[in-house]
Amino acid sequence: AQKVTQAQTEISVVEKEDVTLDCVYETRDTTYYLFWYKQPPSGELVFLIRRNSFDEQNEISGRYSWNFQKSTSSFNFTITASQVVDSAVYFCALAGNTPLVFGKGTRLSVIA
Amino acid sequence: NAGVMQNPRHLVRRRGQEARLRCSPMKGHSHVYWYRQLPEEGLKFMVYLQKENIIDESGMPKERFSAEFPKEGPSILRIQQVVRGDSAAYFCASSLASGTPYQETQYFGPGTRLLVL
Repeated sequence: AQKVTQAQTEISVVEKEDVTLDCVYETRDTTYYLFWYKQPPSGELVFLIRRNSFDEQNEISGRYSWNFQKSTSSFNFTITASQVVDSAVYFCALAGNTPLVFGKGTRLSVIA
Repeated sequence: NAGVMQNPRHLVRRRGQEARLRCSPMKGHSHVYWYRQLPEEGLKFMVYLQKENIIDESGMPKERFSAEFPKEGPSILRIQQVVRGDSAAYFCASSLASGTPYQETQYFGPGTRLLVL
């Protein structure tokens, strides 16, 4: 069975600090994809990134970066120089040959 | 370029009534997925549909819940005889057609918040 664990339930940082959100997954599929979504207070789900299991290159998009390590089954997400608008719940998700499985999310609060 | 649309955004029903949730996928997307989010929980998969076909309903409760995606019009998630435990946010997502559908990026709608009194 597929599983995604986001051990950090809530994180609180002061604006401009860097913050890393952890994601650990379990799967028996050899080909799979990992995703991050953001759910701001308004409630919608915003797609952030999709990464396949054969591509372990780190990715950077502006202040966001992702570190995929197959050896530790982790796909961590770092926000550099956090801003108040980054306050949201962030979900990590996994898809193989079965439906998308979400972690329980990490609530990030960025304080001005 | 309209995203995934869901309506209504909020729905209040009394126990025993029916709830109908609608979802229009992104333009060009033919795959639709429904998820349920309980308070302080992640999203749980319910059902995956293509036009006129239910492909995977492994996450759908066996009773009272049904889904369809007709040839014309939006996808509908229907909950009959609602109970308080059905109160949740219901999200619809859509993706492009693919041989490996679950692995395509799913774009989500704004959700329908169902409250059962």
